[in-house]
Amino acid sequence: QVQLVESGGGVVQPGRSLRLSCAASGFAFSSYGMHWVRQAPGKGLEWVAVISYDGRDEYYADSVTGRFTISRDNSNNTLYLQTNSLRAEDTAVYYCAKEERILGATSLDCWGQGTLVTVSP
Amino acid sequence: DIQMTQSPSTLSASVGDRVTITCRASQIINSWLAWYQQKPGKAPKLLIYDASSLESGVPSRFSGSGSGTGFTLTISSLQPDDFATYYCQQYNSYPSTFGQGTKVEIK
Repeated sequence: QVQLVESGGGVVQPGRSLRLSCAASGFAFSSYGMHWVRQAPGKGLEWVAVISYDGRDEYYADSVTGRFTISRDNSNNTLYLQTNSLRAEDTAVYYCAKEERILGATSLDCWGQGTLVTVSP
Repeated sequence: DIQMTQSPSTLSASVGDRVTITCRASQIINSWLAWYQQKPGKAPKLLIYDASSLESGVPSRFSGSGSGTGFTLTISSLQPDDFATYYCQQYNSYPSTFGQGTKVEIK
């Protein structure tokens, strides 16, 4: 079955960096776009970024543009999120999620369990 | 960016009640809207996609409707397992955006 497992979260000081990973299995990873979505403690869901199936196209939320970079390694079925210049407001659980369809506009049908990033002095 | 506004923010209901949650987009998004259910400490779960299509395995008491800018999620007969927070999401254009959530509580 489809499985997404995030890792790489932790406690980091403001201004520092962290790379999150999402290991995918159970589906043709290289055929699907992938997303990162985050959720601050006690708050709602915030969409962060998307990367196309082949890695050629990326889009970001305004709040992370210029600081975060999404990437993927299709040979190892892994999605990444490089987070730089972290701020207190980046503190959240970060989820990776798989697109439901291969082509066109699509919802997110499978989500990982999330990894917690805490930005604190 | 497209803003998504859900109402109400909190809803108190009893088992067996018919429940309706509304989501409004600041621009036309056609039918590119999804609904998710989230329980505390868990990842969101897809319920409805393309505004009205039921995700496989989701009980038929869940239904979605609407197009353009106005959408609804309806639970025909609320069950104990349905007490959770519900989010809408537009995927008409990037950046994709979520509504602020509707928490369904026990009355």
